[in-house]
Amino acid sequence: AQSVTQPDIHITVSEGASLELRCNYSYGATPYLFWYVQSPGQGLQLLLKYFSGDTLVQGIKGFEAEFKRSQSSFNLRKPSVHWSDAAEYFCAVGSGTYKYIFGTGTRLKVLA
Amino acid sequence: GAVVSQHPSWVICKSGTSVKIECRSLDFQATTMFWYRQFPKQSLMLMATSNEGSKATYEQGVEKDKFLINHASLTLSTLTVTSAHPEDSSFYICSAGEWDTDEQFFGPGTRLTVL
Repeated sequence: AQSVTQPDIHITVSEGASLELRCNYSYGATPYLFWYVQSPGQGLQLLLKYFSGDTLVQGIKGFEAEFKRSQSSFNLRKPSVHWSDAAEYFCAVGSGTYKYIFGTGTRLKVLA
Repeated sequence: GAVVSQHPSWVICKSGTSVKIECRSLDFQATTMFWYRQFPKQSLMLMATSNEGSKATYEQGVEKDKFLINHASLTLSTLTVTSAHPEDSSFYICSAGEWDTDEQFFGPGTRLTVL
């Protein structure tokens, strides 16, 4: 069955610290992978996406993610977190004409 | 980039009434549109997939007679919540995809509160 797992429900980091959010997927075909961020009461903002090619993907706001096929993972990273990064982060797999499967989300809290 | 709008952004209605939410792709033709539902502090769950000119495909457990989806054109899909009840209160998000892209573009969401 197709699924996306985000093992960490909550993560708390200090401002300026590095961040890694985990995402593991189970998908029958070559996955198209996405990371979105959602602030309270807001819609989704795309951070980055992976379709093919270079497995290290750069996104907006200083985020990057690495696709590791052998580990079925697509972890999101940021070298230095800012207080404005506090939000909910969702990993998803899918395509333009096929439904997205979302992970359960990771809520990031940033300590000043 | 591709833009998807939703209207209204929030709506409050009385129990038993019907509410219509519009989803529009503003600068591209959406061959497929999706409707997701998100409860507070939870993830997005797909409700249904609709292709222009054909009936929507509903996910298991979603009542198609309660959540009416119409995708009459390549730029507009509507979700009508019929005979709404307080348990239908949620954040509804639509997305649109086109046949030659590999991603969906999400609307800003509609918050529905049923009193």
